Amino acid sequence: DAGITQSPRHKVTETGTPVTLRCHQTENHRYMYWYRQDPGHGLRLIHYSYGVKDTDKGEVSDGYSVSRSKTEDFLLTLESATSSQTSVYFCAISRGPGNEQFFGPGTRLTVL
Amino acid sequence: KNEVEQSPQNLTAQEGEFITINCSYSVGISALHWLQQHPGGGIVSLFMLSSGKKKHGRLIATINIQEKHSSLHITASHPRDSAVYICAVRMNTGNQFYFGTGTSLTVIP
Repeated sequence: DAGITQSPRHKVTETGTPVTLRCHQTENHRYMYWYRQDPGHGLRLIHYSYGVKDTDKGEVSDGYSVSRSKTEDFLLTLESATSSQTSVYFCAISRGPGNEQFFGPGTRLTVL
Repeated sequence: KNEVEQSPQNLTAQEGEFITINCSYSVGISALHWLQQHPGGGIVSLFMLSSGKKKHGRLIATINIQEKHSSLHITASHPRDSAVYICAVRMNTGNQFYFGTGTSLTVIP
């Protein structure tokens, strides 16, 4: 298995609070992704990174920001969490944009 | 609107049966990815393919580019194959994958 960890694994927070999720990889892959998974939807891309300090938006980026200051870490921030952001968040990595993606274990976020 | 459609949504099979899960897409793609999500939530990559057929153990994946269709077959199914199987495609343009909603498979002993 690819070395990908996510923290925290579970979080409960209140509406309006900031939340940061961390993805850490030990594979030195260039690309990193944040997805959310909700019932009735496939995995949806929030943001992705194609290198240190290089990021781009996905299809559901509103309300989220990301940062990548080191190859191994990709942070997802909810500046002011809302109940609609209750979801399971997955990080993934790949060598290149069309390459096989490897997923982290997921973070279950509940916004009350 | 979902560029990727999977069928069936749910599938129950007896142990030992041959299983087929289908994935259809509507636009030109450069790659197709099959993944498996276990009941505990972890997502595992099974296959990446852009043409033809790939086999790994009891799993076989095929793709027909002209028909915009891919199938995932499981031979001699086993209860440990019970999982959600997800298809994802990368369009010819852009860098992201688009995911189907998955097929939930239950294999009964």
